[in-house]
Amino acid sequence: QVTLKESGPALVKPTQTLTLTCTVSGFSLNTRGVRVNWIRQPPGKALEWLARIDWDNEVFYSTSLKTRLTISRDTSRNQVVLKMTNMDPVDTGTYYCARMHLGEPGFPYYFDNWGHGTLVTVSS
Amino acid sequence: DIVMTQSPDSLAVSLGETATINCESSHDVFYTSTNKNYLAWYQQRPGQPPKLLIYWASTRESGVPARFSGSGSGSDFTLTISSLQAEDVAVYYCQQYYTTPPTFGQGTKVEI
Repeated sequence: QVTLKESGPALVKPTQTLTLTCTVSGFSLNTRGVRVNWIRQPPGKALEWLARIDWDNEVFYSTSLKTRLTISRDTSRNQVVLKMTNMDPVDTGTYYCARMHLGEPGFPYYFDNWGHGTLVTVSS
Repeated sequence: DIVMTQSPDSLAVSLGETATINCESSHDVFYTSTNKNYLAWYQQRPGQPPKLLIYWASTRESGVPARFSGSGSGSDFTLTISSLQAEDVAVYYCQQYYTTPPTFGQGTKVEI
């Protein structure tokens, strides 16, 4: 059974760096075609894709946030880590990790497995 | 980035009636080499993560009731919920995965 679970601080101060961890089970981060993503959702607002890391360690970032984001993985711990610098109150929201459907490595797919999300509030 | 625009933002439908949600992309999301539309629909109930309903614009995910159907091609898509049930109250999102970054619509809230 594929599961993803987000963890991290519930409260961060403005200008601080947020570090979130996605712990996965039921699959290996090294399996060809595996692609894990971070997606966020401000309260009452739409979903926004943030970043992705692939089985071969290739990474991709949101156009508007790429200067603030770093995604990495620890395959020995089955974890994907997202760091976001210079946090602001507008970054408040629920942060999800989601796995892209495991298909042909050369093609993009939809998100078929999601974690439950972790709520992050940015406030002094 | 491809912009996804849903309409309406919200709608109220009587139990047993049909809900129709539209989604328009700013760029065609049909990939000719695979003959597929790279468009998915998700349902998000309050306090829950999104749940995949439809992919390739019209393929239902395993376990999704048959009253949910997707249609459309190119840049115009529709999610139809036939015979609306109480448990269908949720926000529905379309998403394109034709290109990176993947992008979502703003969501459509369905109420009874």
